[in-house]
Amino acid sequence: EAGVAQSPRYKIIEKRQSVAFWCNPISGHATLYWYQQILGQGPKLLIQFQNNGVVDDSQLPKDRFSAERLKGVDSTLKIQPAKLEDSAVYLCASSPLRDGNYGYTFGSGTRLTVV
Amino acid sequence: KQEVTQIPAALSVPEGENLVLNCSFTDSAIYNLQWFRQDPGKGLTSLLLIQSSQREQTSGRLNASLDKSSGRSTLYIAASQPGDSATYLCAVRPRSSNTGKLIFGQGTTLQVKP
Repeated sequence: EAGVAQSPRYKIIEKRQSVAFWCNPISGHATLYWYQQILGQGPKLLIQFQNNGVVDDSQLPKDRFSAERLKGVDSTLKIQPAKLEDSAVYLCASSPLRDGNYGYTFGSGTRLTVV
Repeated sequence: KQEVTQIPAALSVPEGENLVLNCSFTDSAIYNLQWFRQDPGKGLTSLLLIQSSQREQTSGRLNASLDKSSGRSTLYIAASQPGDSATYLCAVRPRSSNTGKLIFGQGTTLQVKP
């Protein structure tokens, strides 16, 4: 079974620039999550999709972050404009069910550095 | 508001030692608790998942316990090996949310010296 694919692995941008991350979940997984992990902290949920609908985006900074999951498969997360505090690892995860009870599978993440 | 805390932040032990990692959470209303492992530059790998009705789960040299009433969980690693070196994260799924949202602790970075 292929894992959760993310790209790019690394990205360095200047503040106020825009950036996009891509995620392809495990085939058949209806639920997709984006987490932000700042250095030295645990991951924090940004947004959860169920198929192509948003289930939870309460912690997504909507003035600068956006995400979509067209066709209920792969997803993109965008930041525009980026701030220094957005430097973090962005992790994508998927699970078969909405409640995550059968476990998560995480991708390797995209490490973003904003300078 | 649910908060998850892990102590210690870092731990260094000699190979072969048994060790315990601690996790505490402020709200006992949870569906489950999971322990994850994170290697540098990698994503998270799920190690053990304990449902709220369970007291412990075991996988190989790993044993995780859950005391929901006191808001505590421990991850016991027997006969540690250098390959166990990684960051260990615990996460709870709160009952306040009907989604799969997890709330993570900040992790314990373990180094096992040969």
